[in-house]
Amino acid sequence: EVQLVESGGGLVKPGGSLTLSCAASGLTFSSYSMNWVRQAPGKGLEWVSSISSTGRYIYYADSVKGRFSISRDNAKNSLFLQMNSLRAEDTAVYYCTRDFVLSFAFDPWGQGTLVTVSS
Amino acid sequence: QSALTQPPSASGSPGQSVTLSCTGTSSDVGNYNFVSWYQQHPGKAPKLMISEVSKRPSGVPDRFSGSKSGNTASLTVSGLQAEDEADYYCSSYAGSNMVLFGGGTKLTVL
Repeated sequence: EVQLVESGGGLVKPGGSLTLSCAASGLTFSSYSMNWVRQAPGKGLEWVSSISSTGRYIYYADSVKGRFSISRDNAKNSLFLQMNSLRAEDTAVYYCTRDFVLSFAFDPWGQGTLVTVSS
Repeated sequence: QSALTQPPSASGSPGQSVTLSCTGTSSDVGNYNFVSWYQQHPGKAPKLMISEVSKRPSGVPDRFSGSKSGNTASLTVSGLQAEDEADYYCSSYAGSNMVLFGGGTKLTVL
């Protein structure tokens, strides 16, 4: 069974930084593109960033471009999201999720980690 | 680019069918057959129900079906059951390796 477990969320002040991690198991991690998707409290889903299986190709939503950095360590089956210059509007549950069959769909999803940006 | 448009709520009685809509533009839904649907129960992570407009991943009941016409995609849930009550989100590839989501529809089983 594929499992994705996020960690690293918490309370951070505006302008601060935080790094999220996602530990993957039950899959050949190095074979899949991975993604971060977030959900603000009571709101809908928002795609944040994607990284190809080798890490060569990286993409960001305009809302986080220049502030967030996605990376991965295939030897450790891990995905990361470095978040800098955090804003109140970045407050959300951040989900780690795998590409599904090259279809721009996401499956499965982790349980999410909450990031709260507040003074 | 703007999020896809979904009605905020929908409802149906057990056993009935309900269709949820997802409206985009000719730059996303209308231009690619990469529309997906996700089910999310309160406090839980989303679950993929439909990919590539109409494909059901393994384990998803055949009561769930997807379609697309022009810039609008649809998810139909047939034979409504109590456990189908959840939030449903659509998504579409929008070019340049970007994915757009809809705002979600809360489905209530009466």
